[in-house]
Amino acid sequence: NIQMTQSPSAMSASVGDRVTITCRATQGISNYLAWFQQKPGKAPKHLIYAASSLQNGVPSRFSGSGSGTEFTLTISNLQPEDFATYYCLQHNSFPITFGQGTRLEIK
Amino acid sequence: EVQLVESGGGLIQPGGSLRLSCAASGFAVSSNYMSWVRQAPGKGLEWLSVLYSGGSTYYADSVKGRFTISRDHSKNTLYLQMNSLRAEDTAVYYCARVNYDSSAYYPLFDSWGQGTLVTVSS
Repeated sequence: NIQMTQSPSAMSASVGDRVTITCRATQGISNYLAWFQQKPGKAPKHLIYAASSLQNGVPSRFSGSGSGTEFTLTISNLQPEDFATYYCLQHNSFPITFGQGTRLEIK
Repeated sequence: EVQLVESGGGLIQPGGSLRLSCAASGFAVSSNYMSWVRQAPGKGLEWLSVLYSGGSTYYADSVKGRFTISRDHSKNTLYLQMNSLRAEDTAVYYCARVNYDSSAYYPLFDSWGQGTLVTVSS
């Protein structure tokens, strides 16, 4: 099975900052990677698909990149509503697997 | 408006069975790919299963052989039958609609339910 490892597990930042979260796969997954945002007590929200394509309605300050085994999610000009937990997900092969999550907190 | 509403969660003893329901409105469950995802208390997301519109099913290793995903076209509802429940199955269970982008290669988890809590404890 493909394992997804995110780094860091947690981070703090300030409004207006630019942050980057990394997701690594144990084997190549092409660009079959998605990113999700989850706020406490809420269902996840799908942000990015195909490693770099924004879902409808997702602000352009979110961006994704990568292919193969290493991927990044970048949030530019952090806004108060962006403080949440972020997960990557691979769907290159079954079973589909999530990363363990990255908690983004306000500094 | 697309909406998913889960139900059926609760307290169940280890070894017991439970069936979760995910009632859909605004679209046809049988015409879409549907998935279950869970989240143990204070933990991350775990993908569990998907049911394709054509009927194919796939499962996470942790639930294979114990959980079964299914749907009822007449009730427009997705189900997750959970057998041989263990303490580690305690989690909030979410159902999600899985659409595809225009290329048909990339799934879009575009609608989610609010989740239903399953607690496995004696």
